[in-house]
Amino acid sequence: GAVVSQHPSRVICKSGTSVKIECRSLDFQATTMFWYRQFPKKSLMLMATSNEGSKATYEQGVEKDKFLINHASLTLSTLTVTSAHPEDSSFYICSAREHYSYEQYFGPGTRLTVT
Amino acid sequence: GENVEQHPSTLSVQEGDSAVIKCTYSDSASNYFPWYKQELGKRPQLIIDIRSNVGEKKDQRIAVTLNKTAKHFSLHITETQPEDSAVYFCAASPMNTGFQKLVFGTGTRLLVSP
Repeated sequence: GAVVSQHPSRVICKSGTSVKIECRSLDFQATTMFWYRQFPKKSLMLMATSNEGSKATYEQGVEKDKFLINHASLTLSTLTVTSAHPEDSSFYICSAREHYSYEQYFGPGTRLTVT
Repeated sequence: GENVEQHPSTLSVQEGDSAVIKCTYSDSASNYFPWYKQELGKRPQLIIDIRSNVGEKKDQRIAVTLNKTAKHFSLHITETQPEDSAVYFCAASPMNTGFQKLVFGTGTRLLVSP
């Protein structure tokens, strides 16, 4: 149980284009999903918290117009990196949590490379 | 806001030895403390967690202890095996975040040599 998938696993895009990453909870309803960014050999940095049916809450310093988050259903959240630049290249990981549960379960991550 | 510090940053042990990783947190209202194991290029996996109303929890070779007064918690791995080699992250969940955000430590790279 508690499986979270993420798609795509890897993506290469040109500078200036937009990229959408999907995060799905496969066997539970995720009332809350979280988006993290992880640099090589570094910790997980929370970017935003996404609740089904409401606007995402962004962490300080994260541009909400650049990182668009949508949580349209209890099993799907999407992160769109708009007008991507090379500095946006990173490992993006989502996690999902059931209502009334403390545990967060992570997706396998998406490695984004912007050329 | 919550701040989590983790030590050591790297830890090398011989197979069969014990390994201990320590974390401290700043927000006394934090109430949930998970530990994640992340292998290279893979997702973080929850290995054990503890809530603030419990002082110790054990699952086979893994245990976590929590000292609320001192605001620190530790991961203990006994009889280490080479497959325990990975990066371990502690985290704390501040009570005032509403949606149970996690604030992560900086990670500990554990290397278990055969």
